[in-house]
Amino acid sequence: TQLLEQSPQFLSIQEGENLTVYCNSSSVFSSLQWYRQEPGEGPVLLVTVVTGGEVKKLKRLTFQFGDARKDSSLHITAAQPGDTGLYLCAGYDYKLSFGAGTTVTVRA
Amino acid sequence: DAGVIQSPRHEVTEMGQEVTLRCKPISGHDYLFWYRQTMMRGLELLIYFNNNVPIDDSGMPEDRFSAKMPNASFSTLKIQPSEPRDSAVYFCASSSRVSSTDTQYFGPGTRLTVL
Repeated sequence: TQLLEQSPQFLSIQEGENLTVYCNSSSVFSSLQWYRQEPGEGPVLLVTVVTGGEVKKLKRLTFQFGDARKDSSLHITAAQPGDTGLYLCAGYDYKLSFGAGTTVTVRA
Repeated sequence: DAGVIQSPRHEVTEMGQEVTLRCKPISGHDYLFWYRQTMMRGLELLIYFNNNVPIDDSGMPEDRFSAKMPNASFSTLKIQPSEPRDSAVYFCASSSRVSSTDTQYFGPGTRLTVL
């Protein structure tokens, strides 16, 4: 059983469209991290959110931490083929616990 | 700067054989983590070290798995004997500290196939 549930599992969109990935848990975390993983490589950290209700922006990516620090979302505006990858959320509670991931495919 | 280095990148072996995966963390990082990634279970923490000492091995599946860190620049994950259900991608990661805002740097992984 995953501590963190991500949805959807797969997402395929056309270039220029927007998308949102969700990460939910029944547990409270000290922080939540989002990683992107490309085929044949290890995950790379995108952002860390710490405070409940926090919103962080990284160019076209917007990350939000829920008020209760149990859930998070990742929103990509005007997606590009370079955004294709596996997006993983991870909650920190003395160690990282990862969600199963959302595979995002952006078609040109 | 070199990132986390793992070897081999791919390993194919037969059931019952011993497998050794290797990792060189980023220089100066005191923490080293071993993860396993499968389609069914996602990315799971197996064990982590601080200053070469194992801190938490609660994720190690069973006695067939063992990990060592003889010095600050080298760690191994050994599976003996290997089984087909051990097939997965094994990642090594390192960090300078462990905290809620810490960054873990992952290696490229070793894809293990046990026939």
